[in-house]
Amino acid sequence: EAGVTQFPSHSVIEKGQTVTLRCDPISGHDNLYWYRRVMGKEIKFLLHFVKESKQDESGMPNNRFLAERTGGTYSTLKVQPAELEDSGVYFCASSQFNYVLGELFFGEGSRLTVL
Amino acid sequence: GENVEQHPSTLSVQEGDSAVIKCTYSDSASNYFPWYKQELGKGPQLIIDIRSNVGEKKDQRIAVTLNKTAKHFSLHITETQPEDSAVYFCAAIRSGAGGTSYGKLTFGQGTILTVHP
Repeated sequence: EAGVTQFPSHSVIEKGQTVTLRCDPISGHDNLYWYRRVMGKEIKFLLHFVKESKQDESGMPNNRFLAERTGGTYSTLKVQPAELEDSGVYFCASSQFNYVLGELFFGEGSRLTVL
Repeated sequence: GENVEQHPSTLSVQEGDSAVIKCTYSDSASNYFPWYKQELGKGPQLIIDIRSNVGEKKDQRIAVTLNKTAKHFSLHITETQPEDSAVYFCAAIRSGAGGTSYGKLTFGQGTILTVHP
């Protein structure tokens, strides 16, 4: 069974440009999460989808970040325009359960470098 | 909201020694505490977890202890091996009825563990 896959693995862009990260969750997982780790700090929650609906987007830094999950399958996270402080590793995770304890499966992450 | 502090930030041990990583949390209502291991080039992977109604849990060479009164929990790795070298993250969440989903974790800052052969 395929795990959570993320693309691209690494993206280098200049300040002001746009980047779109993609996440394919484990098949059958309705819950999809985006997290970010900046500059060796803690991994921080960004938002949570249940199928195609945003359940919780309290961690999104500002309106330069836009997440979508059309059709309830894969998700994209767009940063437009990118700023230097957006550099970091963006992790996607999925789980089968929401309010019932279950394992959270992480992808390998997309490293974003903004120059 | 919840805040999790993790120490040390780096830990270097000799193969065969034990390693201990400690975390403290701020929300006394937190009830689930997972530990994740992130190897180079990979995503975080759950290695062990503990719920607030349990004081200790063990799985082969790894164990986790929880002190609810002091609001801290620790990861213990015995007989360390070079393949234990990775970044370890603790996390906490208040979930279940009336709480948030189990997927919205608050993580510690991470500990880089290096096991020297």
